[in-house]
Amino acid sequence: NAGVTQTPKFQVLKTGQSMTLQCAQDMNHNSMYWYRQDPGMGLRLIYYSASEGTTDKGEVPNGYNVSRLNKREFSLRLESAAPSQTSVYFCASSEAGGPPNEQYFGPGTRLTVT
Amino acid sequence: GQQLNQSPQSMFIQEGEDVSMNCTSSSIFNTWLWYKQEPGEGPVLLIALYKAGELTSNGRLTAQFGITRKDSFLNISASIPSDVGIYFCAGPQGSSNTGKLIFGQGTTLQVKP
Repeated sequence: NAGVTQTPKFQVLKTGQSMTLQCAQDMNHNSMYWYRQDPGMGLRLIYYSASEGTTDKGEVPNGYNVSRLNKREFSLRLESAAPSQTSVYFCASSEAGGPPNEQYFGPGTRLTVT
Repeated sequence: GQQLNQSPQSMFIQEGEDVSMNCTSSSIFNTWLWYKQEPGEGPVLLIALYKAGELTSNGRLTAQFGITRKDSFLNISASIPSDVGIYFCAGPQGSSNTGKLIFGQGTTLQVKP
């Protein structure tokens, strides 16, 4: 039982390049989330997926797209990376029918855009 | 909009000391969560609180759900070096049960051996 896994762990992009961050969970959770973490700003929600087949915008969705590929996997895509997207990205999951709002996080992807 | 304010922003303490931190909101919450993030890792859930006035412990950690439902407190007793990290409070975002959370900006704890 690996919990929430993310790939890659580190990535350096040049401005304008694209990439997809991968996330998978093996806890059979319905809901999945993407956050970004910047110094002194806590965690801000980018997109979430309440269940397979649905996605919704969070607090800071601009410049990102997501795909809920199946119940296990939720990917985050940067179509044209910008230096402002330099951040640490976390994926999380939670069980809709379980304890309210308890989310479980992956180890993060550290992205630098030059 | 909703906002969670944590204080202090950072703490530098001696091993063995007790630690207190808090989280306040301008709006009412029906759930409070406390997470710890160690360097280079993702946040890990420490304690979940679901009822006003509730006091819950997890080892040396104790958290309380404020009776006004607008604040929560986390205490760490007899700190040790492995307590180092960033502590986040979190609560449900919005009125609908989407599972979304809003996070405070974190309290960074450093422990001197």
